[in-house]
Amino acid sequence: DAMVIQNPRYQVTQFGKPVTLSCSQTLNHNVMYWYQQKSSQAPKLLFHYYDKDFNNEADTPDNFQSRRPNTSFCFLDIRSPGLGDAAMYLCATSRVSGNTGELFFGEGSRLTVL
Amino acid sequence: AQSVTQLDSQVPVFEEAPVELRCNYSSSVSVYLFWYVQYPNQGLQLLLKYLSGSTLVKGINGFEAEFNKSQTSFHLRKPSVHISDTAEYFCAVIPLRAGAQKLVFGQGTRLTINP
Repeated sequence: DAMVIQNPRYQVTQFGKPVTLSCSQTLNHNVMYWYQQKSSQAPKLLFHYYDKDFNNEADTPDNFQSRRPNTSFCFLDIRSPGLGDAAMYLCATSRVSGNTGELFFGEGSRLTVL
Repeated sequence: AQSVTQLDSQVPVFEEAPVELRCNYSSSVSVYLFWYVQYPNQGLQLLLKYLSGSTLVKGINGFEAEFNKSQTSFHLRKPSVHISDTAEYFCAVIPLRAGAQKLVFGQGTRLTINP
C-alpha cells in the first residue's frame, strides 16, 4: 500500500525539453518535499511546501519550479533540462502536528536527459 | 545549523559477519536521529529513529543503533548481515523545533555484502 506515489518512475527527455514529475500522497501530511539525488550522493533538498506556503532553498536553480494544487499532489517542473539535471528526484512528506521528524519517501523518478 | 558525517563511504562485509556503520553529527540544538536505507533505484526507507528515551534503538531487518550524546554519534549495527542488506545507508538528523524542518543527510555508506 504505497503512501507516497511518484510518476513516472523513469523519464527520458531531450536537452531543453520541459518535463513534469508528479507526486501524490495518501497520508494527508501537510509538508511535501522535493529532493534531487545524483549518483552516489546524498539527497539534496530543492524546496518544500508547508501547506500552501512554498519554501525554496537558496541554491535551487530557477530552472526548477513546483506546484501544489491541493494537499495530496505536488509537481516538480524542470523548465529547460540540462545534462546536469539528470538525477533521481525524490518526493517526501511529513506531518508537522505531533512531528517526530520522520519523512516518508516515494520510490523516486529517475530522469535521463539526452 | 546541523551537519552529519558518515565516516565510511564504502563498507564491504562477508555474509553472516557483523557490521557497524558509523555516524557522527554536529548541532547547536537537540535533534532527532534517523537511519534510512536505499536499495538500487528506489526511494529511502526508514530503518530506525531515535527521538528520546532508551539510547539503544531497534529497527527493521535486524538493525539497531545506539545514540551517544557525549560523542554525538549514532552508529548503526547488525550482528549478522545477509546478501539482501546490500544497499546505501544514510544517517540523518532533524532539529527539535516547531514547524516544517529540513532533514540533514550524511553522505551515505555503501554496504556491500559478499558471499
